[in-house]
Amino acid sequence: EVQLVESGGGLVQPGGSLRLSCAASGFTFSNSWMCWVRQAPGKGLEWVASITPDGGEKYYVDSVKGRFTISRDNAKTSLYLQMSSLRAEDTAVYYCADADLVWGQGTLVTVSS
Amino acid sequence: QAGLTQPPSVSKGLRQTATLTCTGNSNNVGNQGATWLQQRQGHPPKLLSYRDNNRPSGISDTFSASTSGNTASLTITGVQPEDEADYYCSAWDTSLSAWVFGGGTKLTVL
Repeated sequence: EVQLVESGGGLVQPGGSLRLSCAASGFTFSNSWMCWVRQAPGKGLEWVASITPDGGEKYYVDSVKGRFTISRDNAKTSLYLQMSSLRAEDTAVYYCADADLVWGQGTLVTVSS
Repeated sequence: QAGLTQPPSVSKGLRQTATLTCTGNSNNVGNQGATWLQQRQGHPPKLLSYRDNNRPSGISDTFSASTSGNTASLTITGVQPEDEADYYCSAWDTSLSAWVFGGGTKLTVL
């Protein structure tokens, strides 16, 4: 079964850090462009970051540049999002996805004091 | 980053055909077509179609996508109550090097 499972979400204080993980299975992860997309409560979908299959190129939405880092480990078929200097406006459900194949169930990140 | 344009809402009667639109430009929709996602209330997005009517395994052929110029369309033939959901379009923008989304269309089945 083609599947993506996110983990690592939780409650964090403003200015804090969090690392999200996404475990892939059922497809050739090392061939896939992967991305993170978030959805704030009651809002639409917002792309956060993308990474090429070999990890050599990374792209970010302007609002997270310099604060978030996307990475992958093809040997472990896993995608990551390291988030730092978190703000209240980063509060959202974070989804990992292969845009042409499958989305995960999401993990909730809440930034609040 | 600029987004794609979708109508906020569409209403259709049971078993009617709904056509949802998504307008971008030559750098995104006009370049590789659009990806369409369905999101039911309280659920994660579900991929319906990618890059012009490529349907993932398990997606009903009642969903069909197409592109004309810089506008993508998703047609749902014979809408059912379970089709009531938010529908999002998205596309990679080659000029911005960013993935852009529409604001979503809420489909109501009357």
